[in-house]
Amino acid sequence: ETGVTQTPRHLVMGMTNKKSLKCEQHLGHNAMYWYKQSAKKPLELMFVYNFKEQTENNSVPSRFSPECPNSSHLFLHLHTLQPEDSALYLCASSQDRGGTYEQYFGPGTRLTVT
Amino acid sequence: AQSVTQLGSHVSVSEGALVLLRCNYSSSVPPYLFWYVQYPNQGLQLLLKYTSAATLVKGINGFEAEFKKSETSFHLTKPSAHMSDAAEYFCAGGGNKLTFGTGTQLKVEL
Repeated sequence: ETGVTQTPRHLVMGMTNKKSLKCEQHLGHNAMYWYKQSAKKPLELMFVYNFKEQTENNSVPSRFSPECPNSSHLFLHLHTLQPEDSALYLCASSQDRGGTYEQYFGPGTRLTVT
Repeated sequence: AQSVTQLGSHVSVSEGALVLLRCNYSSSVPPYLFWYVQYPNQGLQLLLKYTSAATLVKGINGFEAEFKKSETSFHLTKPSAHMSDAAEYFCAGGGNKLTFGTGTQLKVEL
């Protein structure tokens, strides 16, 4: 595998379900990100992790819970979601120490909440 | 506050015509600027990046962008549009926290 991978690519879940999104980067980067992309809205940064430590939480509801066990893996745990949470969830990584900060994105998980 | 503004949420060009997608950034944005492209149901792919080495930056797929500090602009161009260029394009700037523009949907017509 190369670059940034995300699984699953598509997810349909009910409002009472619990599911997790997984992201893995194979680039040796130290920073990882979760973004939400909704139709007709700007890209929304949700969480930032640097060397496994969370450095940013952009007022994201607690029904979204991130986990970063190491610099290569990032999870987004989902529970009791709302229909308005349906969106494309993108993971990205970057090298923030001595790098030029460009972020590399995964293909995204298309989430539908019913 | 940092901001990146893309003028025109939709741009339509004929195949073979010049593509020009506009991006302006606030002076508070650190001097790292990027253009990304997104095809339907895919993630964002890095097209090119400006990191102060040269004001004219060449990227993939024949795209290039010119950094103009006096105009706080970083417009994306391609001399001749191809049908495969139809996608959404995002300008972004910043350091360890990127600020993205709202995107420009490029349509290429025969």
